[in-house]
Order: sequence, then structure tokens, then C-alpha cells
Amino acid sequence: NAGVTQTPKFQVLKTGQSMTLQCAQDMNHNSMYWYRQDPGMGLRLIYYSASEGTTDKGEVPNGYNVSRLNKREFSLRLESAAPSQTSVYFCASSYNRGRHNEQFFGPGTRLTVL
Amino acid sequence: AQSVTQLDSQVPVFEEAPVELRCNYSSSVSVYLFWYVQYPNQGLQLLLKYLSGSTLVESINGFEAEFNKSQTSFHLRKPSVHISDTAEYFCAVRTSSGGSYIPTFGRGTSLIVHP
Repeated sequence: NAGVTQTPKFQVLKTGQSMTLQCAQDMNHNSMYWYRQDPGMGLRLIYYSASEGTTDKGEVPNGYNVSRLNKREFSLRLESAAPSQTSVYFCASSYNRGRHNEQFFGPGTRLTVL
Repeated sequence: AQSVTQLDSQVPVFEEAPVELRCNYSSSVSVYLFWYVQYPNQGLQLLLKYLSGSTLVESINGFEAEFNKSQTSFHLRKPSVHISDTAEYFCAVRTSSGGSYIPTFGRGTSLIVHP
């Protein structure tokens, strides 16, 4: 079991460039999430997906798009990167019902936008 | 709506000393409560959780947390910390019935253990 995997681990972009962060989980979870983590701000939810084929905005969705490709994969796209998007991005997955509903997190992608 | 407050952004402590990381929440419905730990340059991982039953829950590495419904708190404690406990700790809450299953996280507490 690899758990939640994310690629790439590090990325440097110039302002205006685009990129896609990839996330996959092998735990058969129905829900997946994208967070950003900034110093002093904790975790902020960007987008989430309750199940394959559905996505919803979180707290800070502006400047991002997502795709739930299938049950395993959930990607985050920055169409035109801005320095304010410099952050560490975490993908997570979980069941969304029942008692075993804790989230499992990937190792993160450290993104710098110059 | 629910919210989580972690009262301390940073807690420095000496090795083998006791520590308490504070977490208070607000919610109009019953909740599940979680503590996650994030070691440097890693993702978050679950430390312990309260779902129901005994209000005192324990982790495998000596941490414990007590759910106090009247105080709406879920403070994390360890009687004797190790250098290896240096990490960021996040408290999270989600509703246990109905409503959104999306958890709300606190801003985190950085535990710094000095030799």
C-alpha cells in the first residue's frame, strides 16, 4: 500500500506558467482533497471531491482547477501561476461516512512561483 | 458551522518535561475530534481521534487527549517528551452526523523540544 502519492515533490515556476499537480490513492477512498499550507495559516482547503465525477470548491479555490479523473486520481491545475500561489500543497483522501473517516495525507508538493 | 482554535502557535519545552497542547472547538452538533502530527518536510498523519465512548484517548507513542464536552476542548498531553516529538500538531473537528463531512483544522501548534 503506497497510501497517497503526489508528484512532483518540488517545482519552481515563473509567473504566468501553468502546471498540474498529480495525486493518487490506493485505499479505495471515495473522497479526495487538495490543501495548501502557508506559515501561520494552517491548512486551507482548495477543492475537494466527494466521489468520482464530483468536485466542490473549498475555502480558497481562486486560481485553481481540479479534475477527479477516476476514483484513484485527483489533480490540481494552476492555469496561470502567481507568486501568491507559492506554498506547500497537500493532497488527502478519506471515506466520507462512518467511523473510519480520518484523512490520509500525501508527502506534499513544494511550489515556488517567481 | 464549526471552528477550531489552537491557543498556542509555538510551545517550547525541554526534553523529558510534560507538555499540553490546547485545542478548543465550537460546533452546534456532535463532533468527531482528531489530532494530526506533521514532522518536518512530511505530510500530516493521524495521531489519535475521539469518536465516542471513553473521553480519554491514547496514541501508541505516549500522547493522550481528553474530550471535554462542557469545555468544548480536546487538549493533547504527554507526560515526558522526546526530541523526536518536535513537530507541528494540528487539531481538527468534523460533525459526527449529518451536515458536511469536511473537517475543520486549527492553525497548528509547533512543539519544539530542546535537549
